[in-house]
Amino acid sequence: GDSVTQMEGPVTLSEEAFLTINCTYTATGYPSLFWYVQYPGEGLQLLLKATKADDKGSNKGFEATYRKETTSFHLEKGSVQVSDSAVYFCALIKEGAEGSQGNLIFGKGTKLSVKP
Amino acid sequence: DAGVIQSPRHEVTEMGQEVTLRCKPISGHNSLFWYRQTMMRGLELLIYFNNNVPIDDSGMPEDRFSAKMPNASFSTLKIQPSEPRDSAVYFCASSYSGIQTEAFFGQGTRLTVV
Repeated sequence: GDSVTQMEGPVTLSEEAFLTINCTYTATGYPSLFWYVQYPGEGLQLLLKATKADDKGSNKGFEATYRKETTSFHLEKGSVQVSDSAVYFCALIKEGAEGSQGNLIFGKGTKLSVKP
Repeated sequence: DAGVIQSPRHEVTEMGQEVTLRCKPISGHNSLFWYRQTMMRGLELLIYFNNNVPIDDSGMPEDRFSAKMPNASFSTLKIQPSEPRDSAVYFCASSYSGIQTEAFFGQGTRLTVV
């Protein structure tokens, strides 16, 4: 079945370091891809998305490019801040039957800790 | 708007007891989702409702789990009897028109069954 695989955490970085969190997916057809962020004590929030190959999603300095050839959607940020400390989830969704929306499939999450 | 409100935030219960988790979706949203988050399995969709009607409950793990949405502003997830393996964080989310990817999540209920 469809699945999402993320790099295992935790990831610990110093402030202003470069961040990459790897995400690869397995899916038939053409899924849409997402990154969600979960700050401590809060629910998930959509961070960015890409709906077709070669699309780049971006938000709050984070970027991810939909790479169909490598089935990847790696999350990057050039200079992380302490406030970016959170758990990051990669996810995919496909179109369901009769054009309906299928279910979101999440990776297991990667915990990021940024030290001052 | 206060967002999606879940209660309680934390629940500790003994094995065999009934547990009820509650959710108030964002006013005007007509779709509601229940998720479970564990270390082993990550985040999984349990059930979702559209206009108070359960649409897909294929993620509900066992008959011990049940969910209801008696009106547009309230939903419950009940576990009876509870077991230690039910320990997890349970999230409720709501959206307009069933769009999961546009759902807003509550802060979650951390359930511990001892």
